Amino acid sequence: DADVTQTPRNRITKTGKRIMLECSQTKGHDRMYWYRQDPGLGLRLIYYSFDVKDINKGEISDGYSVSRQAQAKFSLSLESAIPNQTALYFCATSRSDRGIYNEQFFGPGTRLTVL
Amino acid sequence: AQSVTQLGSHVSVSEGALVLLRCNYSSSVPPYLFWYVQYPNQGLQLLLKYTTGATLVKGINGFEAEFKKSETSFHLTKPSAHMSDAAEYFCAVSGGSNYKLTFGKGTLLTVNP
Repeated sequence: DADVTQTPRNRITKTGKRIMLECSQTKGHDRMYWYRQDPGLGLRLIYYSFDVKDINKGEISDGYSVSRQAQAKFSLSLESAIPNQTALYFCATSRSDRGIYNEQFFGPGTRLTVL
Repeated sequence: AQSVTQLGSHVSVSEGALVLLRCNYSSSVPPYLFWYVQYPNQGLQLLLKYTTGATLVKGINGFEAEFKKSETSFHLTKPSAHMSDAAEYFCAVSGGSNYKLTFGKGTLLTVNP
């Protein structure tokens, strides 16, 4: 089945370390997204990309950067991790031809803990 | 601008009882509405969506939701809860800007035997 995968699934790191979370998809979708989920806060958009050369900041981009290496790959980096970046991170994809319907398909998530 | 309010961060029901999860939205343009479910240690899965047409939408696992424009609501219901329904449920709205999906804060559903 076409799918959205994330690596790693779990990561524990220390304050100040650089961390990269990776997302790959076989759905053939052109749009990709990174969200973080915190208890009681729902999902908040970090970055989104409409294609390889179109990357945009979301609601909470400070402290994060992204790279769209190919249509199928979208990586999220924490340049210098801090404890309040401890969260569950989700990658999602969607098709541009769906326009404003924007149904998104989610990966299984990466649980990141920053000590 | 758009926003979603889910009333009740935690709902507890007995097995076999009605499930009602409330969602109200705000949107300056005609909304497209979604319910997603998140089972423990998993990503989000689409339950159902309203785009246009019939206001009563049926989804997977016996869930349905009704779009009520006058009440700006999109409540999720299931006539009879099953233990396997225990999960977190998220309501989301899209419209206007052609990318943004705005999520509510989620409602954790507990099903008691």
